[in-house]
Amino acid sequence: DGGITQSPKYLFRKEGQNVTLSCEQNLNHDAMYWYRQDPGQGLRLIYYSQIVNDFQKGDIAEGYSVSREKKESFPLTVTSAQKNPTAFYLCASSQSRESGNTIYFGEGSWLTVV
Amino acid sequence: SQKIEQNSEALNIQEGKTATLTCNYTNYSPAYLQWYRQDPGRGPVFLLLIRENEKEKRKERLKVTFDTTLKQSLFHITASQPADSATYLCALDQYTGGFKTIFGAGTRLFVKA
Repeated sequence: DGGITQSPKYLFRKEGQNVTLSCEQNLNHDAMYWYRQDPGQGLRLIYYSQIVNDFQKGDIAEGYSVSREKKESFPLTVTSAQKNPTAFYLCASSQSRESGNTIYFGEGSWLTVV
Repeated sequence: SQKIEQNSEALNIQEGKTATLTCNYTNYSPAYLQWYRQDPGRGPVFLLLIRENEKEKRKERLKVTFDTTLKQSLFHITASQPADSATYLCALDQYTGGFKTIFGAGTRLFVKA
């Protein structure tokens, strides 16, 4: 089935560690996104990519990094510089970055700092 | 910058009634407005898209209206069922040198049997 696969579903990070969240899509979409969701808040855009080997910062990129070496993959690294990383992370994709494109989401990854 | 406001209070209704959720936005009117459903611990799922030149859009028991004068969209679920219980997110595109989709915080809907 076509879709977006995120892994792991649950991840625990110790203080000072970097962790990487995986995101793979088989929808042949050009654009991919990472959002962060905190309780009672809307989705906030961390990074997005319109094409392979290119990505841009979103609204809350500090403490995060991404890569887009393949069209189907867009991993997110949460670095130790991110001071409050505990949240629900959502990867998404769309056909393109044009206005009005439907965004398809993965099932999300829960990151907890211990 | 564009902001989206959705009622943060949960909406509780009885099964069979019509649920109406509100999405208000500031600044300019977007060319498109979308509604998504999100279940607890899951990713949002697309429901409907309405264009600025459309007043109303329907899909089965769902209806969306778009009033660019009021800067508001209403999302209706008719003949609501307990299975409709979820959080509903409003989303629209903001142009900042390229289009970026921004989401409201969502409104939690509880449908009681």
